[in-house]
Amino acid sequence: DQQVKQNSPSLSVQEGRISILNCDYTNSMFDYFLWYKKYPAEGPTFLISISSIKDKNEDGRFTVFLNKSAKHLSLHIVPSQPGDSAVYFCAASAWGSSGGSNYKLTFGKGTLLTVNP
Amino acid sequence: GAVVSQHPSWVICKSGTSVKIECRSLDFQATTMFWYRQFPKQSLMLMATSNEGSKATYEQGVEKDKFLINHASLTLSTLTVTSAHPEDSSFYICSASSKSNQPQHFGDGTRLSIL
Repeated sequence: DQQVKQNSPSLSVQEGRISILNCDYTNSMFDYFLWYKKYPAEGPTFLISISSIKDKNEDGRFTVFLNKSAKHLSLHIVPSQPGDSAVYFCAASAWGSSGGSNYKLTFGKGTLLTVNP
Repeated sequence: GAVVSQHPSWVICKSGTSVKIECRSLDFQATTMFWYRQFPKQSLMLMATSNEGSKATYEQGVEKDKFLINHASLTLSTLTVTSAHPEDSSFYICSASSKSNQPQHFGDGTRLSIL
């Protein structure tokens, strides 16, 4: 049972436009969410995170939105750049729900973002 | 900062061989290290969590006698795939965290191919 779902295996956008990557989860115990970016032949790199007490977190061109009632989060990249082309993984943890003892990450399958020049 | 080195990056070996993969945190002390496995077109699946100096906690369905994990220091964890078979062929990747509320930092992974 996939607890974290990234339903779009790929996304293609034009340079300068906004990229929106979506992620849905089913486990209501998840309270900490992360986005990782992965280039070929490299490990995932942490990008941005959000705690369930917030609904938005922004870091430069990257913004993550969390809709707890819909169990949905999204990553916005604006403006998109060709160097953003990579696989983006959504991950979730029930860290706070476990009293800080469970920081196991559950990953989605990833979305391949291609930003065209 | 927060660099995790994983070695080797690629292994091809015969069935029945045991393979050891190393995961090192280069510029921080990793109180906890994680080992994941990823099959093609699937998500990263956690295999086990290890805290320095204690036994690893394995996820359901992961054989602890087959996948031996050692976390003897704050900067090194090893995963040994014992008597590997073709079905063990996969992408293995480690991550490390300095504190429980800090993001995990990943190594570059090991592509294991068992012939």
